[in-house]
Amino acid sequence: LAKTTQPISMDSYEGQEVNITCSHNNIATNDYITWYQQFPSQGPRFIIQGYKTKVTNEVASLFIPADRKSSTLSLPRVSLSDTAVYYCLVPGGSQGNLIFGKGTKLSVKP
Amino acid sequence: DTAVSQTPKYLVTQMGNDKSIKCEQNLGHDTMYWYKQDSKKFLKIMFSYNNKELIINETVPNRFSPKSPDKAHLNLHINSLELGDSAVYFCASSATSGSNYEQYFGPGTRLTVT
Repeated sequence: LAKTTQPISMDSYEGQEVNITCSHNNIATNDYITWYQQFPSQGPRFIIQGYKTKVTNEVASLFIPADRKSSTLSLPRVSLSDTAVYYCLVPGGSQGNLIFGKGTKLSVKP
Repeated sequence: DTAVSQTPKYLVTQMGNDKSIKCEQNLGHDTMYWYKQDSKKFLKIMFSYNNKELIINETVPNRFSPKSPDKAHLNLHINSLELGDSAVYFCASSATSGSNYEQYFGPGTRLTVT
């Protein structure tokens, strides 16, 4: 079964680029990797999803190396409002199973 | 309009009671999910339904049962509540149960069992 590992917490300052890496072994060839953001007292919100190499949207980039055993969420020029918990999500191997990482609490300071 | 809604937002009850949490999505999605988030903020999938068919059934106690009256609703019934059931429960939906896992989450229901 797939298993994910993320740093528990990270600190940053406004305007910096933040990179959060998730290690995920045993993901299948066709599995996508997805990242979510969660603010206190809210449900998780989709940020970005990727399969290989690099994906970019209006809020983030996702880098996936060729071996696909990890992925890195990149947040350019963070602001105070980016303070949240970030989760990676991968399929778990068994039919339809989904595995959320334990989350990385990002704190952005002024 | 709220895409995924849950009721109630807060639920306080005593051990041994039976309770239900309702979930509705207006996105026209085919798959709906229930997650449990514990005090450490770990998210764990409990169930999912695709076109009224259960496709995931994690190792949750059989006191928990999902009920889907139609594609837009997936309710969670909990029997004989225990202290360890206290958590935040999130409902979610996605367009498909395939490898595209973009899910839309509800606001959560905080269940407190005393």
